[in-house]
Amino acid sequence: QKEVEQNSGPLSVPEGAIASLNCTYSDRVSQSFFWYRQYSGKSPELIMSIYSNGDKEDGRFTAQLNKASQYVSLLIRDSQPSDSATYLCAVNTFNDMRFGAGTRLTVKP
Amino acid sequence: EADIYQTPRYLVIGTGKKITLECSQTMGHDKMYWYQQDPGMELHLIHYSYGVNSTEKGDLSSESTVSRIRTEHFPLTLESARPSHTSQYLCASSEYSGRGRGNEQFFGPGTRLTVL
Repeated sequence: QKEVEQNSGPLSVPEGAIASLNCTYSDRVSQSFFWYRQYSGKSPELIMSIYSNGDKEDGRFTAQLNKASQYVSLLIRDSQPSDSATYLCAVNTFNDMRFGAGTRLTVKP
Repeated sequence: EADIYQTPRYLVIGTGKKITLECSQTMGHDKMYWYQQDPGMELHLIHYSYGVNSTEKGDLSSESTVSRIRTEHFPLTLESARPSHTSQYLCASSEYSGRGRGNEQFFGPGTRLTVL
C-alpha cells in the first residue's frame, strides 16, 4: 500500500462545475497536509495547506481534512479551463514529506 | 524577493559527459531536496539535505551525487551522463520544523535534461 494514494484520473468536469479531488494516507500520526498544482511541463506549485480537521477555504479552493478516516480532499468551485492540471496531495509526518502520484484534472469549456 | 532558482533550465548533452545541475534558494531554508520526474509520472525523491554538510539518499536509487557546503546552494552532479538519466530534475526547499507543522516545500522551475 502506498503511503499517499490518489485516483490518477483523468477527472473531467465541465466549466463552472465543482471538481472534487481525493487523497488517502496511511500514517495516522501525519501532521500537515498540502495540495500542489502542476501544469504540464512545469514544477509543482503550493495552493493549499491544512493541519486541523474540518474545512479550509481560500477563494475557489476548499481543503477538507478528516484525520479519523485518514483522508484529505480538495474542492474547486466554479472550475475554469485554467484549472486543468495535475493535483498532487502531499502529507508530512515528522518532517518526512510524501507525495501522491497526482490526479489529472481536465476542465472542459 | 525570496525564491528558488535552478540552472540550466534545459540541457542537451552527450553520453559520458559530467554535468552539474545548480539549485539556489534565498529563503533561508535549512532543508533542500532533489526530485526526478518523467513526463506524466510521479515525483521521485533522489537526494535531500537537512543543512550544511548534511546529505541523504532518497527513495529512488540514483547515480547522482550532491553536496551542501552553503545553506543556499545544493548542486547535483552526474559524473557520467547516460540516456537513462534523461528526465526533469526538480529542486525544492523547506523550513525544518521539529513541530511537524508547516514544512511545505517550494519548488524551483526545474531542469529538463536530455542525454543523447
